[in-house]
Amino acid sequence: DAKTTQPPSMDCAEGRAANLPCNHSTISGNEYVYWYRQIHSQGPQYIIHGLKNNETNEMASLIITEDRKSSTLILPHATLRDTAVYYCIVRVGGGTSYGKLTFGQGTILTVHP
Amino acid sequence: EPEVTQTPSHQVTQMGQEVILRCVPISNHLYFYWYRQILGQKVEFLVSFYNNEISEKSEIFDDQFSVERPDGSNFTLKIRSTKLEDSAMYFCASGGTGMVQPQHFGDGTRLSIL
Repeated sequence: DAKTTQPPSMDCAEGRAANLPCNHSTISGNEYVYWYRQIHSQGPQYIIHGLKNNETNEMASLIITEDRKSSTLILPHATLRDTAVYYCIVRVGGGTSYGKLTFGQGTILTVHP
Repeated sequence: EPEVTQTPSHQVTQMGQEVILRCVPISNHLYFYWYRQILGQKVEFLVSFYNNEISEKSEIFDDQFSVERPDGSNFTLKIRSTKLEDSAMYFCASGGTGMVQPQHFGDGTRLSIL
């Protein structure tokens, strides 16, 4: 699976949009981009995933660049409860990987009042 | 919304003892996983399970570890003879009917080895 690079930490004001970047310059054609977050020591929580088109759900939006070498997770109106570690993970769809997720250090997002 | 449940939330065990961690995956999911997270470190993959057999395992998952899906609903991780370094959060996850479907995690079992 391709390696990802994320900033170690980011701050955001409550009510503003949080834009979390991720670089995955070695991504290959059959690899998807997944975003998870982990609040305190709870289990990782799935947020969103995509292949090449932008995606939106009730939690967030995912913007993937046309060359697929980077992506941005957008939390449109951050709240204090969005303070967490956010993980960008690239994973092969299909093949022999059976979908294991390889977690990096992620980005610690701190939302301030 | 369906969720993955894990029991117990905290397990304290003497070194050398056997421990079984239990998970109830989401009911129509077919892919099952165990991960662990040592305090302050990254979440690490241990094993994946599909069609009643291990599909992949990491170097961490040595002969002391085993997994089982005994009754079609529970998914268990057994550590045969625990070591101090097994102390960690253990997370179970399950995934839907296609490998690109997201995995959903339980809230984990904190395992403390004394």
